[in-house]
Amino acid sequence: DIQMTQSPSSLSASVGDRVTITCRASQAISNYLAWYQQKPGKAPKLLIYAASTLQSGVPSRFRGSGAGTDFTLTISSLQPEDVATYYCQKYKSAPLTFGGGTKVEIK
Amino acid sequence: QVQLVESGGGVIQPGGSLRLSCAASGFTFSVFDMHWVRQAPGKGLEWVAGIWFDGNNKYYADSVKGRFTISRDDSKNTLYLQMNSLRAEDTAVYYCAKDRTGGLNTYQDSWGQGTLVTVSS
Repeated sequence: DIQMTQSPSSLSASVGDRVTITCRASQAISNYLAWYQQKPGKAPKLLIYAASTLQSGVPSRFRGSGAGTDFTLTISSLQPEDVATYYCQKYKSAPLTFGGGTKVEIK
Repeated sequence: QVQLVESGGGVIQPGGSLRLSCAASGFTFSVFDMHWVRQAPGKGLEWVAGIWFDGNNKYYADSVKGRFTISRDDSKNTLYLQMNSLRAEDTAVYYCAKDRTGGLNTYQDSWGQGTLVTVSS
């Protein structure tokens, strides 16, 4: 099975900072990658699919990139409401594995 | 709008069985794949099982294969997860999630609020 590895596991940044989270697949997965945001006590929310397509209603400060094995989620200007844990997920073939998550906090 | 409401969680002894339900509304349930995803306390997300729109293909995580069964009743717009031989490590919030498509195992674009299953003696 394909493993998904996220880094870092947590980060602290200031409001307005650019934040980058990486996700690496153990085998090439084309662009079959999604990113989710989960706020404390809430269900996950889809942010990005097909590695770089923004889900409707998601602010444009979120950007996804990458293909093959290496992917990136970038928040161009961190806002207080972005405090959450972010997960990548590979799809298309089961199991639909999630990365371990990256917890984003405000400094 | 899409609404997914899970039920059936609770406290169960190791080795016991439990059936979770997910009532769906706001979309044509029968044309979309559906999934169960769980989250152990303080841990990350783990995909558990998925079922195609037509019920003909079902997929499971290795951690639950042979113990859990996913099913759907399109006449009731309801997704199920039958959980047998429960273990302490199955303790988690279980989320029902709608797939973006049918028959392609893609990403999950809508989620329920989850139901907590606690396996403990």
